[in-house]
Amino acid sequence: GAGVSQSPSNKVTEKGKDVELRCDPISGHTALYWYRQRLGQGLEFLIYFQGNSAPDKSGLPSDRFSAERTGESVSTLTIQRTQQEDSAVYLCASSLTSSPGHGAFFGQGTRLTVV
Amino acid sequence: SQQGEEDPQALSIQEGENATMNCSYKTSINNLQWYRQNSGRGLVHLILIRSNEREKHSGRLRVTLDTSKKSSSLLITASRAADTASYFCATVPYRNTDKLIFGTGTRLQVFP
Repeated sequence: GAGVSQSPSNKVTEKGKDVELRCDPISGHTALYWYRQRLGQGLEFLIYFQGNSAPDKSGLPSDRFSAERTGESVSTLTIQRTQQEDSAVYLCASSLTSSPGHGAFFGQGTRLTVV
Repeated sequence: SQQGEEDPQALSIQEGENATMNCSYKTSINNLQWYRQNSGRGLVHLILIRSNEREKHSGRLRVTLDTSKKSSSLLITASRAADTASYFCATVPYRNTDKLIFGTGTRLQVFP
């Protein structure tokens, strides 16, 4: 596609349920990032994928969070047993390469509300 | 953890004025980037400056980088109401070129 696509755009879920967020990066982009942004705050790094290398999971806040990426294509972020503090916009970005650093392209995000 | 902090947190100006936003970061970097965010959703990449560069221009944008002070500034000249948005700096740390770490952001309001 022309840009980074995220789905769903909005998700309301009950506390304790699992949710799966999807990101389709720009074709050919080897680097993919997930961020969390709480209302009025900055972007909190969650996880980074680069080609076939082991992902950098250092930003995942707890073991309830996990992410997968199939090759250099779609990625899914899964949050198990959701809590109210998980409510945020989850942003995905992709870039052509990670080094020496190119601008990243962002999706429109998934707004997650845990009630 | 966040690498950078923007200053000021919020800025209000009139159309036609210049807007200056500052970013400070903690560790050595490979490059620094500025992004714009409208309405709390997707970010748009504005400009990238490498650690061996001191100044870069793109249209009405001017970015400076001072690696000795670990700081950068973004200047928007002749601002327009459409420039109203949040602006974030992001760094690629020197020892880890895999991460793109964002600062806290500056909320810019340009009044017509």
